[in-house]
Amino acid sequence: TQLLEQSPQFLSIQEGENLTVYCNSSSVFSSLQWYRQEPGEGPVLLVTVVTGGEVKKLKRLTFQFGDARKDSSLHITAAQPGDTGLYLCAGELDSNYQLIWGAGTKLIIKP
Amino acid sequence: GAGVSQSPRYKVAKRGQDVALRCDPISGHVSLFWYQQALGQGPEFLTYFQNEAQLDKSGLPSDRFFAERPEGSVSTLKIQRTQQEDSAVYLCASSSTLSYNEQFFGPGTRLTVL
Repeated sequence: TQLLEQSPQFLSIQEGENLTVYCNSSSVFSSLQWYRQEPGEGPVLLVTVVTGGEVKKLKRLTFQFGDARKDSSLHITAAQPGDTGLYLCAGELDSNYQLIWGAGTKLIIKP
Repeated sequence: GAGVSQSPRYKVAKRGQDVALRCDPISGHVSLFWYQQALGQGPEFLTYFQNEAQLDKSGLPSDRFFAERPEGSVSTLKIQRTQQEDSAVYLCASSSTLSYNEQFFGPGTRLTVL
């Protein structure tokens, strides 16, 4: 069974703090995606990482794909209340249309 | 359309009723996925279409669940004889390419079975 474990499951921090969310698996992924979901809406794609060791930045968000393509992290610098939401990682296995989804990290940024 | 749309946004059904949930994917998107999502959890795969062909229905929880996409665009997820455990948000996603499988989601339909 392929699993994608996210940690922490829940995180509540003050505005201005930094945080990191992790996504780990024993499986090797051809790509890994990060989504953010707000209440009452569907997930929205933030980034796709493809190459082992790859780092992508999206404003205050930094995404990293592990060298072995089994894990990924999302780091947010100086978190803002607008960053509040459910963060989901999803991995794509070779030659497979299905995404393997993590259970999500619920992030709350308090003003 | 500009994005994936789903209707209805909310559905309340009495136990035993049949429901039909609609998904309008992004025009031209070949792949269409249905997911079930519990509150605060990640999406759980239900079924996958490539154009009009249902290539994978392994995630459908029972034979009460049925999905179709007859013309390769709009899709309908039907649940017969609804049960309380069917209460969840049902998400539809479409994708234009199998490469990286980047999915675009609709807002979901929240189904509540009383």
